[in-house]
Amino acid sequence: GENVEQHPSTLSVQEGDSAVIKCTYSDSASNYFPWYKQELGKRPQLIIDIRSNVGEKKDQRIAVTLNKTAKHFSLHITETQPEDSAVYFCAASIGGWSSASKIIFGSGTRLSIRP
Amino acid sequence: DSGVTQTPKHLITATGQRVTLRCSPRSGDLSVYWYQQSLDQGLQFLIQYYNGEERAKGNILERFSAQQFPDLHSELNLSSLELGDSALYFCASSVGLAGAPSYNEQFFGPGTRLTVL
Repeated sequence: GENVEQHPSTLSVQEGDSAVIKCTYSDSASNYFPWYKQELGKRPQLIIDIRSNVGEKKDQRIAVTLNKTAKHFSLHITETQPEDSAVYFCAASIGGWSSASKIIFGSGTRLSIRP
Repeated sequence: DSGVTQTPKHLITATGQRVTLRCSPRSGDLSVYWYQQSLDQGLQFLIQYYNGEERAKGNILERFSAQQFPDLHSELNLSSLELGDSALYFCASSVGLAGAPSYNEQFFGPGTRLTVL
């Protein structure tokens, strides 16, 4: 079955610097890779996602890159701000016409932004 | 607000007891997923239902069961509770329309915090 590994488990960066979180997946059939942000005591929220037919996607300060050959994908946050402090989860799944596939989450990265 | 609702918000019970957690998906969503999140842990996928049918299983214990009703709401039943079952239980929903390309863009509910004493 699918396995998703996420690194690092904790990350501390200076405000204004960039943060990068990396994930690898095992099932080459995976074609949908979302990233979720979970603030303390709150629900996970989708912040960006990428499909396997795209190599990179940007949304303001957030970008995700996908390397299908190497089976890894990364989240990049630029110009970090205090409100970026949270736990970030990557995930991989196989999506399609039936929507019957399950989604596997990485173990999470606790990002702390130092003022 | 994601549009996914979960009740109750908090639940405190004793070991050996049985509880039921309820989830109402976003309007129009056919897929419901259940996750367990223990303290400082990641999201453990438990089970998925699509339009009333079980479609995928994760690391769900035999003491746990779930179902999705005709109105698409779902319930997660936890029995013979143990201290280690204390966790935050999330429900998520996604569109999953048959006959159309779909991906697991999941929207999470606020969670039910279960405490087993």
